[in-house]
Amino acid sequence: GAVVSQHPSWVICKSGTSVKIECRSLDFQATTMFWYRQFPKQSLMLMATSNEGSKATYEQGVEKDKFLINHASLTLSTLTVTSAHPEDSSFYICSARVLVRTQNYGYTFGSGTRLTVV
Amino acid sequence: TQLLEQSPQFLSIQEGENLTVYCNSSSVFSSLQWYRQEPGEGPVLLVTVVTGGEVKKLKRLTFQFGDARKDSSLHITAAQPGDTGLYLCARDTRASGGSNYKLTFGKGTLLTVNP
Repeated sequence: GAVVSQHPSWVICKSGTSVKIECRSLDFQATTMFWYRQFPKQSLMLMATSNEGSKATYEQGVEKDKFLINHASLTLSTLTVTSAHPEDSSFYICSARVLVRTQNYGYTFGSGTRLTVV
Repeated sequence: TQLLEQSPQFLSIQEGENLTVYCNSSSVFSSLQWYRQEPGEGPVLLVTVVTGGEVKKLKRLTFQFGDARKDSSLHITAAQPGDTGLYLCARDTRASGGSNYKLTFGKGTLLTVNP
């Protein structure tokens, strides 16, 4: 099945530095990838949709200068958290929409990145 | 915004018990998806329900889509510790003003099955 590989699985960084998270589609091409943020014991909140070769679409309230998204190829999307602060500490997950059954679509998710800003 | 109301938010039960998780909305859905997420991992798609009144079974899990396609439920029979996780209902909709789709989740039900 369609697999999305996300790296790193966890990262600790100092406040003020930037962190890049990568998401790769391993056996399919993803023209669109989705980035979510999740706090402990809570649901996933969509942050932005990345589109290969064009600008990302950000959800309301998400700072696009803070969370830089690049989707330069059909198999790679990256999320860069710039000038990270402790409040940016969270679990970040990417996903892609794929055909699961003959007529149904579902989403396949990366394994997530635990970001801790100290 | 067409919200997905999910209940209960937290559920802690003993091994062998049955449970039901509910997902409701005031809007009609063309389809609804259920995901399960284990700690430190991304969600995994369990099932998609499409037809009003549809019932789908996945081993001890039974998924039902309401006749009016506004609600869905997940029933687990004889829960096991391995069922522990966050259960999420979600709707896949076309983003406004564009051709892209996006997946919106309910608040989730955090299930703990104690041995």
